[in-house]
Amino acid sequence: DGGITQSPKYLFRKEGQNVTLSCEQNLNHDAMYWYRQDPGQGLRLIYYSQIVNDFQKGDIAEGYSVSREKKESFPLTVTSAQKNPTAFYLCASSSFGLAGGELFFGEGSRLTVL
Amino acid sequence: AQTVTQSQPEMSVQEAETVTLSCTYDTSENNYYLFWYKQPPSRQMILVIRQEAYKQQNATENRFSVNFQKAAKSFSLKISDSQLGDTAMYFCAFSRDDKIIFGKGTRLHILP
Repeated sequence: DGGITQSPKYLFRKEGQNVTLSCEQNLNHDAMYWYRQDPGQGLRLIYYSQIVNDFQKGDIAEGYSVSREKKESFPLTVTSAQKNPTAFYLCASSSFGLAGGELFFGEGSRLTVL
Repeated sequence: AQTVTQSQPEMSVQEAETVTLSCTYDTSENNYYLFWYKQPPSRQMILVIRQEAYKQQNATENRFSVNFQKAAKSFSLKISDSQLGDTAMYFCAFSRDDKIIFGKGTRLHILP
């Protein structure tokens, strides 16, 4: 079945540690996105990539980094520079880029900083 | 800058009733797309309905329909004959070029 797979579902991190969230898609979509979801805040865009080896910052990119070495994969690293990393992270993909195209989402990864 | 506002943080309705979720947005653009996404308690977000701004006809998908008022910048979602499986967070979203902006969501409870 085609879809987006995020791992891990739950992750605990100590302060000062970097952590990488995985996102893999087999939908053959060109565009991939990372969103952060906090209660009462909706979804906020962290980074997005429309082609391999290229990506752009979203609205809240500080403290995060990404790579897009393969079309299928778009991992997100939450660095120690992110001041409040505890959140729910959603990965999404789209075949047309953002304008007009449906976003397909993964099931999310919940990161908790201890 | 575009903004999307959902004025109802939480709503509850009885099963089989009709419910309307509100969404307003702010933009100076003429061509754009609007969406409603649903996030059930299992967390996977899915598209409910999409509206293209240049189309005057309101989009409909089975029990889900929208009331798109372009001049008023309003994009409400109507759920008819609501079912227990409609319980979820609903997000309104605006898309133009390479940006999509989500509202803060409305938590909808369908009561048995």
